[in-house]
Amino acid sequence: DQQVKQNSPSLSVQEGRISILNCDYTNSMFDYFLWYKKYPAEGPTFLISISSIKDKNEDGRFTVFLNKSAKHLSLHIVPSQPGDSAVYFCAASRQGAQKLVFGQGTRLTINP
Amino acid sequence: DAGVTQSPTHLIKTRGQQVTLRCSPKSGHDTVSWYQQALGQGPQFIFQYYEEEERQRGNFPDRFSGHQFPNYSSELNVNALLLGDSALYLCASSYGTESYEQYFGPGTRLTVT
Repeated sequence: DQQVKQNSPSLSVQEGRISILNCDYTNSMFDYFLWYKKYPAEGPTFLISISSIKDKNEDGRFTVFLNKSAKHLSLHIVPSQPGDSAVYFCAASRQGAQKLVFGQGTRLTINP
Repeated sequence: DAGVTQSPTHLIKTRGQQVTLRCSPKSGHDTVSWYQQALGQGPQFIFQYYEEEERQRGNFPDRFSGHQFPNYSSELNVNALLLGDSALYLCASSYGTESYEQYFGPGTRLTVT
């Protein structure tokens, strides 16, 4: 039972354009969502998060949007840079259960 | 500011053997969680330790056990290794039991032959 899904295994974007990574979840109890970035041979690095009481959170080039009715969130990166090439994981959690439930990841490639 | 550290970086074990992986949390953190990441998948939660006790557990068999020490460092033990235990094992730390954000170490790559 995959509670968090990232349906696109890979995404290729031109440098300078917008990258949009998508994530869907099924458990309506989730109240906090996070995005992690992972380079090869490194652990996941926290990128940005959003609470279920918000529908948008921005941090520099990164913006996360949450649509609770659709149980969908997305990560926008603009402008995309070559250093953004990595695997991106969406994760969800709920109050009282600190464990993170991860999606399968999306490999983002930024082409010069 | 020291981040999360894990040892060893990688190791190879034979089916049926036992293995111990180690983790030191980020400075100031007192909670340690362990995750297993199989190839091509996202990390899966194994368990979490706080105040030297296992607080939460994911869907993993009893062959997976852990420990947390007074200095907040932690060990993950896996007994009777199976080929399917081959994966990247990630340690994550956080502060207290209310923080959602977890910070990950580089992982230990375990190969079971």
